[in-house]
Amino acid sequence: GQSLEQPSEVTAVEGAIVQINCTYQTSGFYGLSWYQQHDGGAPTFLSYNALDGLEETGRFSSFLSRSDSYGYLLLQELQMKDSASYFCAVGGQAGTALIFGKGTTLSVSS
Amino acid sequence: ETGVTQSPTHLIKTRGQQVTLRCSSQSGHNTVSWYQQALGQGPQFIFQYYREEENGRGNFPPRFSGLQFPNYSSELNVNALELDDSALYLCASSLGTSGTYEQFFGPGTRLTVL
Repeated sequence: GQSLEQPSEVTAVEGAIVQINCTYQTSGFYGLSWYQQHDGGAPTFLSYNALDGLEETGRFSSFLSRSDSYGYLLLQELQMKDSASYFCAVGGQAGTALIFGKGTTLSVSS
Repeated sequence: ETGVTQSPTHLIKTRGQQVTLRCSSQSGHNTVSWYQQALGQGPQFIFQYYREEENGRGNFPPRFSGLQFPNYSSELNVNALELDDSALYLCASSLGTSGTYEQFFGPGTRLTVL
């Protein structure tokens, strides 16, 4: 089976840096993705790591360590609009499903 | 480029009824996946269609079925509705040949079963 663990809630202030961790157990690993979902909205793709290391996209970075079955999403220079739920997901090779974690609710205050 | 659209936005049904939800994929995408998202949870994979064929299914009973059409639009059908089927149903399209890790989600259909 496949399972993912991530913290249920994280709080931070504007301008700060926050890290959302994700550990996974999978039978066959194709990569770790991150999605953002605002309340009442659709999940939107943020990043994907197939190989170990850091991927940077603007204020967001994502890291993967396949040997540790661990990854994280790093959000820098937090803004109020970053308040949302963040999901890690495994899978994604052509023809396979994405399996999502339960999500981390990030609350950014001023 | 048109994004993923879903209809209806909201739906209220009673136990035992049947429902059909519709999804129009992003232009050029040949793969569609359907997810069920309960309140406070992550999306749960129902099934995936690639070029009109089901090519993956999650842990959902057979009363959840689907179709993908030649224009890559799709349907999710749920028979014999149960109270626990109340959830947000999301469809997501992707270009299957390049991997499905980047999926484009529609706004969802909020289904309430009374």
